[in-house]
Amino acid sequence: NAGVMQNPRHLVRRRGQEARLRCSPMKGHSHVYWYRQLPEEGLKFMVYLQKENIIDESGMPKERFSAEFPKEGPSILRIQQVVRGDSAAYFCASSPGRGLYGYTFGSGTRLTVV
Amino acid sequence: GQQLNQSPQSMFIQEGEDVSMNCTSSSIFNTWLWYKQDPGEGPVLLIALYKAGELTSNGRLTAQFGITRKDSFLNISASIPSDVGIYFCAGQLTDGGSQGNLIFGKGTKLSVKP
Repeated sequence: NAGVMQNPRHLVRRRGQEARLRCSPMKGHSHVYWYRQLPEEGLKFMVYLQKENIIDESGMPKERFSAEFPKEGPSILRIQQVVRGDSAAYFCASSPGRGLYGYTFGSGTRLTVV
Repeated sequence: GQQLNQSPQSMFIQEGEDVSMNCTSSSIFNTWLWYKQDPGEGPVLLIALYKAGELTSNGRLTAQFGITRKDSFLNISASIPSDVGIYFCAGQLTDGGSQGNLIFGKGTKLSVKP
Protein backbone atom coordinates (compact mmCIF):
# COMPACT_ATOMS: atom_id res chain seq x y z
CA ASN A 1 0.00 0.00 0.00
CA ALA A 2 2.13 2.82 -1.29
CA GLY A 3 1.86 6.23 0.31
CA VAL A 4 1.81 9.53 -1.52
CA MET A 5 4.53 9.40 -4.15
CA GLN A 6 6.29 12.52 -5.32
CA ASN A 7 8.95 12.82 -7.97
CA PRO A 8 11.52 13.88 -8.51
CA ARG A 9 12.86 14.11 -4.95
CA HIS A 10 15.34 16.75 -6.01
CA LEU A 11 15.15 19.08 -8.99
CA VAL A 12 17.67 21.66 -10.10
CA ARG A 13 16.64 24.27 -12.63
CA ARG A 14 18.35 27.33 -14.07
CA ARG A 15 16.54 30.63 -13.85
CA GLY A 16 13.99 30.92 -16.64
CA GLN A 17 13.44 27.18 -17.07
CA GLU A 18 10.27 25.28 -16.28
CA ALA A 19 9.83 22.95 -13.33
CA ARG A 20 7.31 20.09 -13.28
CA LEU A 21 6.58 18.37 -10.00
CA ARG A 22 4.52 15.18 -9.93
CA CYS A 23 2.34 13.71 -7.21
CA SER A 24 0.57 10.36 -7.19
CA PRO A 25 -1.98 10.21 -4.34
CA MET A 26 -2.59 7.21 -2.15
CA LYS A 27 -4.79 4.55 -3.65
CA GLY A 28 -8.43 5.51 -3.28
CA HIS A 29 -7.67 9.18 -2.59
CA SER A 30 -9.15 11.67 -5.03
CA HIS A 31 -8.28 14.89 -3.21
CA VAL A 32 -4.82 16.42 -3.59
CA TYR A 33 -3.31 19.42 -1.83
CA TRP A 34 -0.02 21.14 -2.67
CA TYR A 35 2.04 22.99 -0.04
CA ARG A 36 5.31 24.91 -0.21
CA GLN A 37 7.91 25.05 2.55
CA LEU A 38 10.64 27.67 2.63
CA PRO A 39 13.74 27.01 4.78
CA GLU A 40 13.05 27.35 8.52
CA GLU A 41 9.33 27.83 7.86
CA GLY A 42 6.12 25.87 8.17
CA LEU A 43 4.22 24.64 5.17
CA LYS A 44 2.04 27.08 3.25
CA PHE A 45 -1.06 26.00 1.35
CA MET A 46 -0.96 26.52 -2.41
CA VAL A 47 -3.78 24.66 -4.16
CA TYR A 48 -6.44 21.99 -3.65
CA LEU A 49 -7.59 19.77 -6.50
CA GLN A 50 -9.95 16.92 -7.13
CA LYS A 51 -9.86 14.86 -10.28
CA GLU A 52 -10.02 17.28 -13.24
CA ASN A 53 -11.03 20.21 -11.01
CA ILE A 54 -9.23 22.98 -9.18
CA ILE A 55 -11.23 23.55 -6.00
CA ASP A 56 -9.17 26.22 -4.24
CA GLU A 57 -6.11 27.97 -5.64
CA SER A 58 -6.10 30.85 -3.18
CA GLY A 59 -2.51 30.11 -2.13
CA MET A 60 -1.05 29.99 -5.62
CA PRO A 61 1.04 32.90 -6.91
CA LYS A 62 -0.91 34.66 -9.62
CA GLU A 63 1.70 34.18 -12.32
CA ARG A 64 3.93 31.34 -13.50
CA PHE A 65 2.35 28.68 -11.26
CA SER A 66 -0.31 26.22 -12.37
CA ALA A 67 -1.61 22.87 -11.19
CA GLU A 68 -3.67 20.07 -12.65
CA PHE A 69 -5.01 16.69 -11.61
CA PRO A 70 -6.12 14.87 -14.76
CA LYS A 71 -8.54 11.98 -14.90
CA GLU A 72 -5.63 9.62 -15.46
CA GLY A 73 -2.16 10.08 -14.05
CA PRO A 74 -0.55 12.11 -11.32
CA SER A 75 -1.22 15.65 -10.22
CA ILE A 76 1.28 18.12 -11.69
CA LEU A 77 2.50 21.39 -10.22
CA ARG A 78 4.09 23.45 -12.94
CA ILE A 79 6.30 26.48 -12.41
CA GLN A 80 7.22 28.42 -15.52
CA GLN A 81 10.26 30.70 -15.83
CA VAL A 82 11.57 29.79 -12.38
CA VAL A 83 13.32 32.40 -10.25
CA ARG A 84 15.64 31.95 -7.25
CA GLY A 85 12.77 32.69 -4.87
CA ASP A 86 10.98 29.56 -6.08
CA SER A 87 13.64 27.42 -4.38
CA ALA A 88 11.77 25.50 -1.70
CA ALA A 89 10.42 22.10 -0.78
CA TYR A 90 7.07 21.34 -2.38
CA PHE A 91 4.84 18.81 -0.67
CA CYS A 92 1.79 17.07 -1.93
CA ALA A 93 -0.84 15.52 0.34
CA SER A 94 -3.83 13.36 -0.45
CA SER A 95 -7.08 12.64 1.30
CA PRO A 96 -10.09 10.40 0.68
CA GLY A 97 -12.41 13.33 1.26
CA ARG A 98 -12.35 17.06 1.58
CA GLY A 99 -10.12 17.92 4.50
CA LEU A 100 -10.82 14.76 6.43
CA TYR A 101 -8.74 13.79 9.43
CA GLY A 102 -5.57 15.58 8.37
CA TYR A 103 -4.07 14.04 5.31
CA THR A 104 -1.00 12.08 4.29
CA PHE A 105 1.99 13.94 2.93
CA GLY A 106 4.54 12.76 0.41
CA SER A 107 8.28 13.13 0.94
CA GLY A 108 8.39 16.27 -1.14
CA THR A 109 10.33 17.66 -4.10
CA ARG A 110 13.23 19.95 -3.26
CA LEU A 111 13.53 22.53 -6.00
CA THR A 112 16.75 24.47 -6.30
CA VAL A 113 16.95 27.30 -8.80
CA VAL A 114 20.50 28.26 -9.80
CA GLY B 1 -4.63 36.08 7.14
CA GLN B 2 -4.73 33.36 9.74
CA GLN B 3 -1.52 32.78 11.65
CA LEU B 4 -0.37 30.27 14.18
CA ASN B 5 2.22 31.16 16.80
CA GLN B 6 4.20 28.13 17.85
CA SER B 7 6.62 28.12 20.76
CA PRO B 8 9.31 27.54 21.61
CA GLN B 9 11.09 27.88 18.27
CA SER B 10 13.72 25.41 19.37
CA MET B 11 14.70 23.41 22.39
CA PHE B 12 17.35 21.00 23.52
CA ILE B 13 16.41 17.77 25.16
CA GLN B 14 18.24 15.31 27.30
CA GLU B 15 17.16 11.72 27.13
CA GLY B 16 14.47 11.03 29.68
CA GLU B 17 13.25 14.62 29.96
CA ASP B 18 9.67 15.67 29.33
CA VAL B 19 9.07 18.20 26.56
CA SER B 20 6.24 20.65 26.07
CA MET B 21 5.34 22.93 23.16
CA ASN B 22 2.27 24.91 22.25
CA CYS B 23 0.46 26.73 19.53
CA THR B 24 -1.88 29.71 19.66
CA SER B 25 -4.03 31.30 17.02
CA SER B 26 -5.98 34.50 16.53
CA SER B 27 -8.64 32.40 14.78
CA ILE B 28 -10.81 29.51 15.82
CA PHE B 29 -10.17 26.09 14.34
CA ASN B 30 -12.29 22.99 14.66
CA THR B 31 -9.42 20.58 14.16
CA TRP B 32 -5.89 20.75 15.50
CA LEU B 33 -3.16 18.50 14.20
CA TRP B 34 0.39 17.83 15.30
CA TYR B 35 2.99 16.65 12.79
CA LYS B 36 6.65 15.66 13.03
CA GLN B 37 9.07 16.26 10.18
CA ASP B 38 12.45 14.55 9.88
CA PRO B 39 15.18 16.06 7.66
CA GLY B 40 14.45 15.53 3.98
CA GLU B 41 11.01 14.06 4.60
CA GLY B 42 7.41 15.14 4.60
CA PRO B 43 5.43 15.79 7.79
CA VAL B 44 4.01 12.73 9.51
CA LEU B 45 0.77 13.01 11.46
CA LEU B 46 1.21 12.34 15.20
CA ILE B 47 -2.08 13.34 16.79
CA ALA B 48 -5.37 14.79 15.55
CA LEU B 49 -7.80 16.64 17.84
CA TYR B 50 -11.42 17.26 16.85
CA LYS B 51 -13.23 18.66 19.91
CA ALA B 52 -12.55 21.60 22.18
CA GLY B 53 -11.13 20.34 25.46
CA GLU B 54 -10.16 16.98 23.97
CA LEU B 55 -7.05 15.33 25.43
CA THR B 56 -5.53 12.60 23.28
CA SER B 57 -2.50 10.36 23.73
CA ASN B 58 -0.37 8.43 21.28
CA GLY B 59 2.27 6.48 23.20
CA ARG B 60 4.50 9.00 24.96
CA LEU B 61 2.78 11.91 23.20
CA THR B 62 -0.17 13.78 24.66
CA ALA B 63 -1.95 16.69 23.02
CA GLN B 64 -4.87 18.86 24.03
CA PHE B 65 -7.31 20.99 22.06
CA GLY B 66 -7.88 24.23 23.99
CA ILE B 67 -11.33 25.12 25.24
CA THR B 68 -11.32 28.39 23.30
CA ARG B 69 -10.45 26.44 20.10
CA LYS B 70 -7.59 28.88 19.59
CA ASP B 71 -4.75 26.87 21.09
CA SER B 72 -3.25 23.44 21.53
CA PHE B 73 -0.28 21.91 23.29
CA LEU B 74 1.84 18.82 22.74
CA ASN B 75 3.76 17.01 25.47
CA ILE B 76 6.38 14.34 24.97
CA SER B 77 7.22 12.32 28.04
CA ALA B 78 10.54 10.59 28.73
CA SER B 79 12.16 11.79 25.50
CA ILE B 80 14.43 9.52 23.50
CA PRO B 81 16.99 10.38 20.80
CA SER B 82 14.61 9.56 17.94
CA ASP B 83 12.28 12.32 19.14
CA VAL B 84 14.69 14.78 17.54
CA GLY B 85 13.09 16.60 14.62
CA ILE B 86 10.76 19.48 13.87
CA TYR B 87 7.23 19.46 15.29
CA PHE B 88 4.50 21.43 13.59
CA CYS B 89 1.06 22.32 14.78
CA ALA B 90 -1.63 22.87 12.17
CA GLY B 91 -5.14 24.20 12.40
CA GLN B 92 -7.90 23.16 10.08
CA LEU B 93 -11.43 24.32 9.35
CA THR B 94 -13.71 21.53 8.19
CA ASP B 95 -17.10 23.15 8.11
CA GLY B 96 -19.02 25.63 6.04
CA GLY B 97 -17.22 26.75 2.94
CA SER B 98 -13.81 25.65 4.15
CA GLN B 99 -11.87 23.46 1.77
CA GLY B 100 -9.98 21.79 4.59
CA ASN B 101 -6.56 23.25 3.93
CA LEU B 102 -4.17 23.45 6.87
CA ILE B 103 -2.60 26.50 8.48
CA PHE B 104 0.81 25.55 9.87
CA GLY B 105 2.89 26.99 12.67
CA LYS B 106 6.59 27.65 12.04
CA GLY B 107 7.66 24.61 13.98
CA THR B 108 9.52 23.68 17.15
CA LYS B 109 12.93 22.16 16.50
CA LEU B 110 13.97 19.51 18.98
CA SER B 111 17.69 18.81 19.26
CA VAL B 112 19.77 16.71 21.62
CA LYS B 113 21.59 18.58 24.38
CA PRO B 114 25.32 18.65 23.65
